Order: sequence, then structure tokens, then C-alpha cells
Amino acid sequence: KAGVTQTPRYLIKTRGQQVTLSCSPISGHRSVSWYQQTPGQGLQFLFEYFSETQRNKGNFPGRFSGRQFSNSRSEMNVSTLELGDSALYLCASSSAGTGAPYEQYFGPGTRLTVT
Amino acid sequence: KNEVEQSPQNLTAQEGEFITINCSYSVGISALHWLQQHPGGGIVSLFMLSSGKKKHGRLIATINIQEKHSSLHITASHPRDSAVYICARVGSQGNLIFGKGTKLSVKP
Repeated sequence: KAGVTQTPRYLIKTRGQQVTLSCSPISGHRSVSWYQQTPGQGLQFLFEYFSETQRNKGNFPGRFSGRQFSNSRSEMNVSTLELGDSALYLCASSSAGTGAPYEQYFGPGTRLTVT
Repeated sequence: KNEVEQSPQNLTAQEGEFITINCSYSVGISALHWLQQHPGGGIVSLFMLSSGKKKHGRLIATINIQEKHSSLHITASHPRDSAVYICARVGSQGNLIFGKGTKLSVKP
């Protein structure tokens, strides 16, 4: 099975712009979670989608949003970029149902630099 | 205060040494993950455990649910084990809550 893929791998944007990142999960996985990693805050949970519905959301401002399509591919969008949004954005997929701990498979990440 | 605490933050070892990384957490959990992150960013899931002990090759993970503590052991360490090791607990809604990571460097 192919692993989790993320596009693009690297991105440079300017403050005030918006950006869309894409994640394709492992075939058959219906859950996609997004994480932000920065040197100061470490890894933080953004949100999780399951069967096209946002199931869980972390403590991030409304500028961060996402969606999931019927083929389980997911996108996340950040509007009005700030310098502090520079980070590695990781997605992870799992075959989770609801309410149970599950193993997550991570993509390679998208490194976003905001100038 | 981070809900998941790891120690040590940094660890340097000589090739062949036995390594232990510790993780403690403050609330009851359903499961805990150990992850490995190499330079460049990619994360690999090493273990997910909810009780007892798991072993994969030279890696062993243990968890004590009552004491809210887990350890990751590496036997016969090798320079290719150099990476950041992260433990993460499963939150009440199934999301992961991460420790800050332990940066391991194994010298030949």
C-alpha cells in the first residue's frame, strides 16, 4: 500500500496570503488528522476529519480550517498568514472507527515558510 | 504545563549502549504512542500500547498505567538510531497530545 502523501513538500508564502495544503491518506483509511510542529511549541493537534466530518478540533484560531472529500483526501487552509504560522504541517491517517485509540501513519509533512 | 513530560530532553550515547527514554503523563489514558522523527521531519510510529510491554527488534516499550509512566528502551544502540523520540498520549476525543521529544545522538 502506498503511504500517506502530502503536497506540496515545501512552500514559501508572504504574510497576509492564504495557503492550502493537501493530504492523501493510505487507501482505506477514513480518518485524517492534521498537526503543526514548531520549534517553540512542538507538535500540536489541529483537527481530525472522519468520513468528511470534522470530528475533533484543537486550540487554533479560525484562520485554520480544513475539509475532507469523499475519497478521504483532506485539505487544510490557512488564511491571512502570519509569521508565526511558519511550521512543519503533518497529516496522519488511520483506519479508526469512533472513540477508540488507533495507530496513526504520518505523511512526510509540508514545510511552510511565511516571510 | 505540558500534559506529557519526557526525560531527558537530550541524550548522547556511544554505539552499543543501552538507552532509556522516559515519559510521564498526568491523566488516565486509553493508549500511548512512541514516535520517531528523523531530521527532515518524517515521523514513524514505533509503538502504540495500552498496557504491559511491546518489543520490535532492538526497541522495547513498556507502560505502567497505575503510575502513569512509560519507557522506551533501545538495546545495542547504533548511529542510525539517532533521531528525536516523541511520546504522545491519546486524549479523550482520540487526538494525540505530544511530549516535547528526546533528541538522541548515538556516536560511533
